[in-house]
Amino acid sequence: QKEVEQNSGPLSVPEGAIASLNCTYSDRGSQSFFWYRQYSGKSPELIMFIYSNGDKEDGRFTAQLNKASQYVSLLIRDSQPSDSATYLCAPKSQGAQKLVFGQGTRLTINP
Amino acid sequence: EAQVTQNPRYLITVTGKKLTVTCSQNMNHEYMSWYRQDPGLGLRQIYYSMNVEVTDKGDVPEGYKVSRKEKRNFPLILESPSPNQTSLYFCASGSIGRFNSPLHFGNGTRLTVT
Repeated sequence: QKEVEQNSGPLSVPEGAIASLNCTYSDRGSQSFFWYRQYSGKSPELIMFIYSNGDKEDGRFTAQLNKASQYVSLLIRDSQPSDSATYLCAPKSQGAQKLVFGQGTRLTINP
Repeated sequence: EAQVTQNPRYLITVTGKKLTVTCSQNMNHEYMSWYRQDPGLGLRQIYYSMNVEVTDKGDVPEGYKVSRKEKRNFPLILESPSPNQTSLYFCASGSIGRFNSPLHFGNGTRLTVT
């Protein structure tokens, strides 16, 4: 079992709809969870992080965490073509510095 | 401006010719790391450093060397590059001790070894 699993996609969503990106992880010691967005050939950039069970909202983005199910998700509301990118999920264990990255989900927003 | 700076952005070289990719950060971060990214394989960690003179292997260290003589710099050295090291490389840095501290990435170095 991979440490971090994401559906590689491509996930195709019409403009204006909600995009839902999912991530499961195997390390129960994971304490915080980071979502990065990466455009093709560019470096990953931090979208948001979450460390408490439940939802965390930031603008059009909502992260959801369920530690019991070892599941974290990212919702993008009112999807825009500029949201087309690969989204990387990265859990982090308490006391550890290493982020373990999933392979990412490629998201395409269709105008 | 807080940033991680990698150089060069693009590099084409031949098999066996030693090269160094530089990485520097201005955020006083203790932790620095190198990743390579290949299609279908995601980001894989090569080496990391927890502080000056403290380095350790990541998941794919073979064929690479690093050094951490100063806190701000973490160069990646390929003593004898081979074609299978053709990849997109990222340097990253972060703070130690804060569980919500993210990694900050450089702009990447696209290396081609012929």
